[in-house]
Amino acid sequence: GAVVSQHPSRVICKSGTSVKIECRSLDFQATTMFWYRQFPKKSLMLMATSNEGSKATYEQGVEKDKFLINHASLTLSTLTVTSAHPEDSSFYICSARDIGTRQFFGPGTRLTVL
Amino acid sequence: AQSVSQHNHHVILSEAASLELGCNYSYGGTVNLFWYVQYPGQHLQLLLKYFSGDPLVKGIKGFEAEFIKSKFSFNLRKPSVQWSDTAEYFCAVNVQGGNTGKLIFGQGTTLQVKP
Repeated sequence: GAVVSQHPSRVICKSGTSVKIECRSLDFQATTMFWYRQFPKKSLMLMATSNEGSKATYEQGVEKDKFLINHASLTLSTLTVTSAHPEDSSFYICSARDIGTRQFFGPGTRLTVL
Repeated sequence: AQSVSQHNHHVILSEAASLELGCNYSYGGTVNLFWYVQYPGQHLQLLLKYFSGDPLVKGIKGFEAEFIKSKFSFNLRKPSVQWSDTAEYFCAVNVQGGNTGKLIFGQGTTLQVKP
């Protein structure tokens, strides 16, 4: 099956720093990728839809200036958490949609902001 | 706005017991329905999906789900669970004709199967 990778798998940073998370589709091209946030014991919350070559579409309540998304190629989308604070600590998951409607999820990135 | 509700937050079963996890959604139009599973330490994987046709869909590992339109439900079932089924289960909905691909997830159900 299709594989989606995320890097890093976990990151610890100091408050005020920025962190970049990469999402790659390894064996297919993804014109659309999605970024989710998962809190402990909670569901996945869609943050934004990342479209290759265009601006991301953010869900209501998600600060686009804080969570910068870049989808520069058909196999890579990045999420940058700018000026991270402890409340940004979470599990961030990306998914990539292939040319059909199938969506494949990455393994997630655990962000801890001290 | 669309929403998905999973009634069972934490289910504990013994091996060979039958499983049914509830999922209800709120949307009056046509939807695509999914069940995903997240095994400990692993990424989300698709168990099964319903787009159209036979409302009883079969997925991997012996799971099945039934779409009941009148009840806005898509419950997941398995006749006999195994210890390896211990995982987090998520129901999700995608609205047809809208911004396809956007998945709305339920809260998740933690299934613990005792050997």
